[in-house]
Amino acid sequence: RKEVEQDPGPFNVPEGATVAFNCTYSNSASQSFFWYRQDCRKEPKLLMSVYSSGNEDGRFTAQLNRASQYISLLIRDSKLSDSATYLCVAPQGGKLIFGQGTELSVKP
Amino acid sequence: NAGVTQTPKFQVLKTGQSMTLQCAQDMNHEYMSWYRQDPGMGLRLIHYSVGAGITDQGEVPNGYNVSRSTTEDFPLRLLSAAPSQTSVYFCASSVGQNQETQYFGPGTRLLVL
Repeated sequence: RKEVEQDPGPFNVPEGATVAFNCTYSNSASQSFFWYRQDCRKEPKLLMSVYSSGNEDGRFTAQLNRASQYISLLIRDSKLSDSATYLCVAPQGGKLIFGQGTELSVKP
Repeated sequence: NAGVTQTPKFQVLKTGQSMTLQCAQDMNHEYMSWYRQDPGMGLRLIHYSVGAGITDQGEVPNGYNVSRSTTEDFPLRLLSAAPSQTSVYFCASSVGQNQETQYFGPGTRLLVL
């Protein structure tokens, strides 16, 4: 099993839709998790962190389920500008382990 | 602040050639890392450093060397390039123990023929 695994995608959704991504992790000792956003051929940038039960920032909500060892990212009212690849990240032994990413394409 | 800078942006090498990918940051970050990104693989950690003079291996260190003689610079050396090293390379730095605030450079796109 990969240490961090994400929905394969791509997700193609219309503007205004709600979309959710899931990510599973294998290291039960991980305490915090992160979602990074990566635009095409650009560097990843931190979108939000996930501690304890979850985190909300505007249209974005990240939740953590320790019992099932997964985190999710919910995007409400999708915008064209949300089109990107979303990377799930878990720290392990002082290093960051990245998932393979889920591509989102928001269409008009 | 320039943040994290990487040079070159693009590079084409022949099999067996060596080269150094440069990375520098001006934020006085202790932690620096090198990742490679391949289609469908996400980012994989090559080497990382927790401070000047200290480096350690990541997931995929074979074929790469690093050194950290200053806080600012963290060069990645390809000893003898192979086609399997064709990839996009990202350097990143972060503030102390707070790994979440990773700042990435713009990347170096490397093609090995």
